[in-house]
Amino acid sequence: AQKITQTQPGMFVQEKEAVTLDCTYDTSDQSYGLFWYKQPSSGEMIFLIYQGSYDEQNATEGRYSLNFQKARKSANLVISASQLGDSAMYFCAMREGGTSYGKLTFGQGTILTVHP
Amino acid sequence: EPEVTQTPSHQVTQMGQEVILRCVPISNHLYFYWYRQILGQKVEFLVSFYNNEISEKSEIFDDQFSVERPDGSNFTLKIRSTKLEDSAMYFCASRGQGRPETQYFGPGTRLLVL
Repeated sequence: AQKITQTQPGMFVQEKEAVTLDCTYDTSDQSYGLFWYKQPSSGEMIFLIYQGSYDEQNATEGRYSLNFQKARKSANLVISASQLGDSAMYFCAMREGGTSYGKLTFGQGTILTVHP
Repeated sequence: EPEVTQTPSHQVTQMGQEVILRCVPISNHLYFYWYRQILGQKVEFLVSFYNNEISEKSEIFDDQFSVERPDGSNFTLKIRSTKLEDSAMYFCASRGQGRPETQYFGPGTRLLVL
């Protein structure tokens, strides 16, 4: 079974609109971390946002927020006021296990295209 | 802002040759990782390294692979005898102690095995 599932291969959004990228995860651990990374066409992996499994509030970082629904095992990324520079591949990832320095497991990614 | 650096940015090699990919993690970080991404696919974990030893490795990380921290700043991935299927983008990542637990990635080395 997939640990991280991103069901949207591609998404389109109009500039200045908000967009939600879906991510569901599968773990039996109580302690885990969820991450979103952005990969532009240049290839680097840029960290966007982190949510710990015990964090009660949804994480926010500027225009990025993480809609964390623990019971549904979902960690959707919301980008508000999309910009042309947001066009990129977006990966959801999970760190599971008892140690906070464990490996990340990534989803397949969602390509976001922002239209002017 | 401190960042992870990797060299070279691109490497082309012949099948069977040895390659060494180099990384300089963020200076006060203690945990180091290598991941790879085959073109068009998801990022896959290879190995993690802490306190001068491997913490965890994946099935991909077989005897052809090794990691080393030869000095206080560099972290290297060696592939002893490259295969065509080793062609991928290789990312180094590092994280500090405590929170946040974010792993910060380098820009990657694109390896092409001919």
